Amino acid sequence: EAAVTQSPRSKVAVTGGKVTLSCHQTNNHDYMYWYRQDTGHGLRLIHYSYVADSTEKGDIPDGYKASRPSQENFSLILELASLSQTAVYFCASRGGWGNERLFFGHGTKLSVL
Amino acid sequence: GDSVTQKEGLVTLTEGLPVMLNCTYQTIYSNAFLFWYVHYLNESPRLLLKSSTDNKRTEHQGFHATLHKSSSSFHLQKSSAQLSDSALYYCALTTITGNTGKLIFGLGTTLQVQP
Repeated sequence: EAAVTQSPRSKVAVTGGKVTLSCHQTNNHDYMYWYRQDTGHGLRLIHYSYVADSTEKGDIPDGYKASRPSQENFSLILELASLSQTAVYFCASRGGWGNERLFFGHGTKLSVL
Repeated sequence: GDSVTQKEGLVTLTEGLPVMLNCTYQTIYSNAFLFWYVHYLNESPRLLLKSSTDNKRTEHQGFHATLHKSSSSFHLQKSSAQLSDSALYYCALTTITGNTGKLIFGLGTTLQVQP
């Protein structure tokens, strides 16, 4: 079974602070994604990447940056955390076309106070 | 841009009754891939069904869905609900647009199955 590991599993941050969420996959997958989950909003795409050293904006990128330094690692960065960014964040990876199944991490519960 | 609509936020059923969760989508591209993901409490979302073939039924774990491109629909069905089916269900869409692989989800439908 493909593995996607997120760290930390939960985090409490202060408003205005910097937060980095990390994601590591051992699936040899090209595509990686960051989603946030909120009640009533489902899973919304923040950033994604289909190759190392390149990232793409998703549907709600404002307030977030992403970094893909290697095929295995994909980080989500909140430079100035805000209350509205309190949510559960999921990282996912998948292979190329013909292999579209997403493998999710366990999620990171972020609380911004 | 592409979008996925799941109109029901919550579906409550009695065990043994049939399940139908609605999913419609919009895209300008013909090569649409549709998915159903299931998210059980305290677990990661995982793939339940997928399809890219028009009018072909796909089945897994008692659930089935048929992609109808003419109506842009991919409804999830099951003949008899079980208590263990209670979960959050997401419909998702991706299309072959260059090599970007953007994948988007609907708002999700929570299925509650009662005894």
